[in-house]
Amino acid sequence: GDSVTQMEGPVTLSEEAFLTINCTYTATGYPSLFWYVQYPGEGLQLLLKATKADDKGSNKGFEATYRKETTSFHLEKGSVQVSDSAVYFCALSASSNAGGTSYGKLTFGQGTILTVHP
Amino acid sequence: KAGVTQTPRYLIKTRGQQVTLSCSPISGHRSVSWYQQTPGQGLQFLFEYFSETQRNKGNFPGRFSGRQFSNSRSEMNVSTLELGDSALYLCASSFAGGGYGYTFGSGTRLTVV
Repeated sequence: GDSVTQMEGPVTLSEEAFLTINCTYTATGYPSLFWYVQYPGEGLQLLLKATKADDKGSNKGFEATYRKETTSFHLEKGSVQVSDSAVYFCALSASSNAGGTSYGKLTFGQGTILTVHP
Repeated sequence: KAGVTQTPRYLIKTRGQQVTLSCSPISGHRSVSWYQQTPGQGLQFLFEYFSETQRNKGNFPGRFSGRQFSNSRSEMNVSTLELGDSALYLCASSFAGGGYGYTFGSGTRLTVV
């Protein structure tokens, strides 16, 4: 079945440091890929997405590129802020031709806790 | 535009009771999915409804059920609650799923005592 693997956390950085959170996936066909962020006590917010190979998703200084050849979707940010401290989830939505088992379902990684210190 | 609304935000129930959670999707979204989030198991897919029909279901016991109404609002029911059902229950809505993406609500925190 489909799966998503994220780098283990927690990740602790100083403000203005460079961030990379690795994400690899296993899925048939061409899934859509997402990064979600969760702040304490809240639901998940969509950070960025990519729907086909070589697409780059970007938002709020975060970027991730859909690499079909390495089945990866690594999240990067050039300069993190204290306000970026949260849990980050990589997720995939199976391609539509995967049939009924794909409807409405996101498969998530285990999440990576990011803490940024001033 | 209003987001996904889940009610209530917090619930405390006793083992053996049943509970109903509600989710109002974004206007125009016909797909509603439910997830259970726990520290040990992470985010797990419960089921998805589209135009009042359940199209997909995860690996949860039959105690977990749901439905969707003609206005796309959805409810999730858990009967005969167990301690292990304590979790954050998240609802997500989408125009059509897949690459359209999913918008999540703030969740309902269920505690079973």
